[in-house]
Amino acid sequence: AQRVTQPEKLLSVFKGAPVELKCNYSYSGSPELFWYVQYSRQRLQLLLRHISRESIKGFTADLNKGETSFHLKKPFAQEEDSAMYYCALLVFGNEKLTFGTGTRLTIIP
Amino acid sequence: KAGVTQTPRYLIKTRGQQVTLSCSPISGHRSVSWYQQTPGQGLQFLFEYFSETQRNKGNFPGRFSGRQFSNSRSEMNVSTLELGDSALYLCASSFGLLNSGANVLTFGAGSRLTVL
Repeated sequence: AQRVTQPEKLLSVFKGAPVELKCNYSYSGSPELFWYVQYSRQRLQLLLRHISRESIKGFTADLNKGETSFHLKKPFAQEEDSAMYYCALLVFGNEKLTFGTGTRLTIIP
Repeated sequence: KAGVTQTPRYLIKTRGQQVTLSCSPISGHRSVSWYQQTPGQGLQFLFEYFSETQRNKGNFPGRFSGRQFSNSRSEMNVSTLELGDSALYLCASSFGLLNSGANVLTFGAGSRLTVL
């Protein structure tokens, strides 16, 4: 069965410093990977998906099939980036997202 | 356009009771998924409906059930409630099937269930 691992439950970064949120997955095929974000008192929302190859709010994520990773990165953290971040995996033919346990990112002013 | 609407937002039940949660997807969306969110387990998939048919089901006991109506609205039911069922239940909708490539999930605010 597929699995998503986010090794850091909590991550604190100073404003202006680079951010990297780790995500590793286990699946032998070619999955589709997503990052979802939940800001304080807001709904869970899509941040980005790897097939779009977009940069949203300065965040990027590259799918590394060799390392089975999909780390989320931003070169310069901003205070508004403080939130809960979830990595999720979709397997072709299976209509469910498998989520990691999430990383709470806190940006220190 | 209106987002995904879940009702009720908060509810308190006692062990042994049953509960029904409702979800109205974004207008035009035909797929509805349900997730359970708890501090310990995170987000876990319950089931997914498309055109009134359950297409996928997570690893939850039979006490958890759901359905989708012809207008795409969905309900989930939990019978014989247990303390461990206390959670935030999230509903999400998409226009079509997730594996069609162009679809992403839009989440509702959730229904927070407390079982005493």
